[in-house]
Amino acid sequence: NAGVMQNPRHLVRRRGQEARLRCSPMKGHSHVYWYRQLPEEGLKFMVYLQKENIIDESGMPKERFSAEFPKEGPSILRIQQVVRGDSAAYFCASSPWEGQGRTEAFFGQGTRLTVV
Amino acid sequence: AQTVTQSQPEMSVQEAETVTLSCTYDTSESDYYLFWYKQPPSRQMILVIRQEAYKQQNATENRFSVNFQKAAKSFSLKISDSQLGDAAMYFCAYRRTNAGGTSYGKLTFGQGTILTVHP
Repeated sequence: NAGVMQNPRHLVRRRGQEARLRCSPMKGHSHVYWYRQLPEEGLKFMVYLQKENIIDESGMPKERFSAEFPKEGPSILRIQQVVRGDSAAYFCASSPWEGQGRTEAFFGQGTRLTVV
Repeated sequence: AQTVTQSQPEMSVQEAETVTLSCTYDTSESDYYLFWYKQPPSRQMILVIRQEAYKQQNATENRFSVNFQKAAKSFSLKISDSQLGDAAMYFCAYRRTNAGGTSYGKLTFGQGTILTVHP
């Protein structure tokens, strides 16, 4: 059972370009969470999605950031018109339906975005 | 809102010795989960140990154990017989339980503690 897969591992974008980060959850997991880690800081929650639904986007910046988790395919975190302050490591985590009694979220290895 | 505080930016320990990492949190809820995650230089977030707030018994995983003080809202991690491979950033995290039957797995992290292990 493959773990949470994120790609790319490293992404370099020029200011003003779009960044698209992908996350494939573990098999059987229907919940996806995105976190951002700025240098020397802890992870900050951005958005929580279930298939085709955004459940909580309280941590998402109001502009330029969007996320989706379609019925088929990976979850996508999209950052439009990137700025230097968007440079960070972006992590995806997935978990199964909580009703199964599981409490653990499994993390991907993250995507390091560098804006030049 | 819940907050998690790790007051030790850096800690160091000699190989084979014991070290304790501190974590405090703030919440108005009575039932929740607490976690310690390890992040080595590879950036991979690895779950070290978890504690369910309704359980009074402290969780233990091999060389890792916690001291959970619910009233004090304290959740420290003890690493016994430290190994070189334990060197990493350690994060304490909080997660609420289900609310009204809706799953909610959002984690709130502390700032992290960098652990150095000296041979």
